[in-house]
Amino acid sequence: ELKVEQNPLFLSMQEGKNYTIYCNYSTTSDRLYWYRQDPGKSLESLFVLLSNGAVKQEGRLMASLDTKARLSTLHITAAVHDLSATYFCAGSQGGSEKLVFGKGTKLTVNP
Amino acid sequence: EAGVAQSPRYKIIEKRQSVAFWCNPISGHATLYWYQQILGQGPKLLIQFQNNGVVDDSQLPKDRFSAERLKGVDSTLKIQPAKLEDSAVYLCASSSTSPYSGSKNIQYFGAGTRLSVL
Repeated sequence: ELKVEQNPLFLSMQEGKNYTIYCNYSTTSDRLYWYRQDPGKSLESLFVLLSNGAVKQEGRLMASLDTKARLSTLHITAAVHDLSATYFCAGSQGGSEKLVFGKGTKLTVNP
Repeated sequence: EAGVAQSPRYKIIEKRQSVAFWCNPISGHATLYWYQQILGQGPKLLIQFQNNGVVDDSQLPKDRFSAERLKGVDSTLKIQPAKLEDSAVYLCASSSTSPYSGSKNIQYFGAGTRLSVL
């Protein structure tokens, strides 16, 4: 059974700083997803990582996947307040498209 | 393009009462999902439909939860009777890809229904 763990669960950082969120998963995952959730809002898809070594970037966010280590990272560069949100990683298994989510990382970017 | 629509946005009920949630997926999306998100946790899949057939309902508490997707479009999720531990946000999502197709699958989520059971 696929299990997904994220750390840290809470992250408070200053504007302009860099940081990384880690996502470990327990067994082979077909693909790895990153979602963003603002308070009271729906989940928004950020990245889908399909294969080992995949790297995707959008603005100040960059996601990568290491399938051998069963690890995905979400790197934040020069954080701004607008990035404050909860970020979830999720894996899928067995081709069924069933997503297994981590508990999420609540990011707060302070001025 | 309209997103996934859910209603109601909020619902407060007493334990042992029943409640129903409604979801209208993105037009043309064949796959529909219901997730339960308890405060402080990630969403957990309850049931997955492909058109009007159930693909996965292994984590649906079938003694109290039921879901249907008549005509392969809208879906309803019902809880009867509700328990205190059912307090959560119920999220509906849809995707255009089919399970086991091997295609990249992006699930689009609705804003959710926040249920409080007192």
